[in-house]
Amino acid sequence: DTEVTQTPKHLVMGMTNKKSLKCEQHMGHRAMYWYKQKAKKPPELMFVYSYEKLSINESVPSRFSPECPNSSLLNLHLHALQPEDSALYLCASSQDFFDLGLEGNTEAFFGQGTRLTVV
Amino acid sequence: AQTVTQSQPEMSVQEAETVTLSCTYDTSESDYYLFWYKQPPSRQMILVIRQEAYKQQNATENRFSVNFQKAAKSFSLKISDSQLGDAAMYFCAYRSPQYSGGGADGLTFGKGTHLIIQP
Repeated sequence: DTEVTQTPKHLVMGMTNKKSLKCEQHMGHRAMYWYKQKAKKPPELMFVYSYEKLSINESVPSRFSPECPNSSLLNLHLHALQPEDSALYLCASSQDFFDLGLEGNTEAFFGQGTRLTVV
Repeated sequence: AQTVTQSQPEMSVQEAETVTLSCTYDTSESDYYLFWYKQPPSRQMILVIRQEAYKQQNATENRFSVNFQKAAKSFSLKISDSQLGDAAMYFCAYRSPQYSGGGADGLTFGKGTHLIIQP
């Protein structure tokens, strides 16, 4: 199983709503990532979790709140978003974040993303 | 910080022909990893090919091969016998071997090349 599963695939929310994006992987990966991707742009790193601890927060506004309940799950809680937050949100995982020296330990596997529209 | 440059926003090729997508990068590190990811309309980022900088031999995966020139910091992707299913955005990406602190050490992406396959 080399899948990263994201739900929902599409989400429309109002600026006062609270919603959550979910990501799941069963590859035994210990690093999980949230990326934001605007149309026709490359993904931008938001957060990195390594061994269920938040390792990197790329100066993301507090209206985005990540959570890693266990090694297989990653959530992104959304609250009071702005229309400019509309984007594709991609989850990814890799075997290990801090030590990429091992053969085969390097690539990230991505989910299909959640297309978020804030109205 | 590392940067990745893809100078071709869009490329077009006839089905069954060969096309080369270019990628250059800037880094002061001697050991690192390079990737080509494909993002079709389904939105999922799919790993096409991976190259470890310490390996002199160019990576090959079926119809996909790279021309890795470490001194020139160049990492181009050649697609042979192009197929309609190859149509997608292609992102070149760089990854450091270890987290060095202070910022983004996930994948650093180029801006992407939109590949069109003409029947």
